Amino acid sequence: SQQGEEDPQALSIQEGENATMNCSYKTSINNLQWYRQNSGRGLVHLILIRSNEREKHSGRLRVTLDTSKKSSSLLITASRAADTASYFCATDAVGGAGGTSYGKLTFGQGTILTVHP
Amino acid sequence: SAVISQKPSRDICQRGTSLTIQCQVDSQVTMMFWYRQQPGQSLTLIATANQGSEATYESGFVIDKFPISRPNLTFSTLTVSNMSPEDSSIYLCSTRDRAAGELFFGEGSRLTVL
Repeated sequence: SQQGEEDPQALSIQEGENATMNCSYKTSINNLQWYRQNSGRGLVHLILIRSNEREKHSGRLRVTLDTSKKSSSLLITASRAADTASYFCATDAVGGAGGTSYGKLTFGQGTILTVHP
Repeated sequence: SAVISQKPSRDICQRGTSLTIQCQVDSQVTMMFWYRQQPGQSLTLIATANQGSEATYESGFVIDKFPISRPNLTFSTLTVSNMSPEDSSIYLCSTRDRAAGELFFGEGSRLTVL
């Protein structure tokens, strides 16, 4: 299986409900990031969590990271129809001299979220 | 944050032709990347565009098929050469202003090859 696998592949919920997406990865990471993509357009960065962090919040977003299980989750609370999009996790792997990142991210397969009004 | 402009935003191309995609950033950036997103799929890194030297290609991607230029710290081009229908994808330029930071993306160039 690939770095950055996500589940579910698709999620359909009603407005006001919470949406949870999960991401698993294989290698050691410096950080894990979540991105959003609206219908085939460019990706927008949502949140970054470092390997030494366990939980992070940004507005209605909550991200957790469990490095022992190599997994992360993204929770969107009180969802809105405008949250309808594809969500991708991306891992920033440890690599190069001194364990620093060499700059590239590896993206998961993504979760398609549909929020019904 | 960086603002990235990509051209063209979309194009329909004939098999066997080549197309060059331009990426312009509103500020100098150290790292620039080109990603491909095939229909319904995730993003796959094609290469890292290096200023003043040859691009660094990922496994499965070669310079003859995807030549990349980066003449300065704000501009890069990706050419998709000798296109086939399998090259129909969204091609995304992205930048990163520091290691271990976030990526900024252009809006992408959606290519359809007939």
